[in-house]
Amino acid sequence: AQSVTQPDIHITVSEGASLELRCNYSYGATPYLFWYVQSPGQGLQLLLKYFSGDTLVQGIKGFEAEFKRSQSSFNLRKPSVHWSDAAEYFCAVGSSNTGKLIFGQGTTLQVKP
Amino acid sequence: GAVVSQHPSRVICKSGTSVKIECRSLDFQATTMFWYRQFPKQSLMLMATSNEGSKATYEQGVEKDKFLINHASLTLSTLTVTSAHPEDSSFYICSAPHPGTQITEAFFGQGTRLTVV
Repeated sequence: AQSVTQPDIHITVSEGASLELRCNYSYGATPYLFWYVQSPGQGLQLLLKYFSGDTLVQGIKGFEAEFKRSQSSFNLRKPSVHWSDAAEYFCAVGSSNTGKLIFGQGTTLQVKP
Repeated sequence: GAVVSQHPSRVICKSGTSVKIECRSLDFQATTMFWYRQFPKQSLMLMATSNEGSKATYEQGVEKDKFLINHASLTLSTLTVTSAHPEDSSFYICSAPHPGTQITEAFFGQGTRLTVV
């Protein structure tokens, strides 16, 4: 069965510090992988996506993610966090190229001044 | 990018009444749309797949008679919560897939906060 695990429920980092949010997936074939960000009471905004090609994917707002097949991971990174990055982050996997997604539990990012 | 609009953003209703939530793809056609439910501090759980011109496909455990889905046109899907109860209070989000160069991307509505009193 497909599943997505985000091991960190809550992360706090200082503004300007680097960030890494972990995501592990379980899927039999090559997955379609996504990272979304959600501000309180809002919908989801796509940060980046991966299916094939270069395993290091660049997204919006300075985010990047690296696909590691051997570790079944798709961790999200940002070199320097801004206060406006505080939000909920979701990793998601698509079982096929249909837009249908399975989401991880989410990671709440808090940014300290 | 593509735009998906969801309406209303917030709704409060009395127990026993029905509430309709609309999801529109504004600048593209979507033969399929997805409805998710999100409880506070939790992830999004897929409820059903809305199919234009045919019946919706519901995920296991989702009551199709309670959550009525209609996808009457290529740009509109509606979710009706019938005979709402307080436990139906939640954040409901729709998405519509838009084919990209290589990866189909799901565009999300703003979500609807339903409170049943």
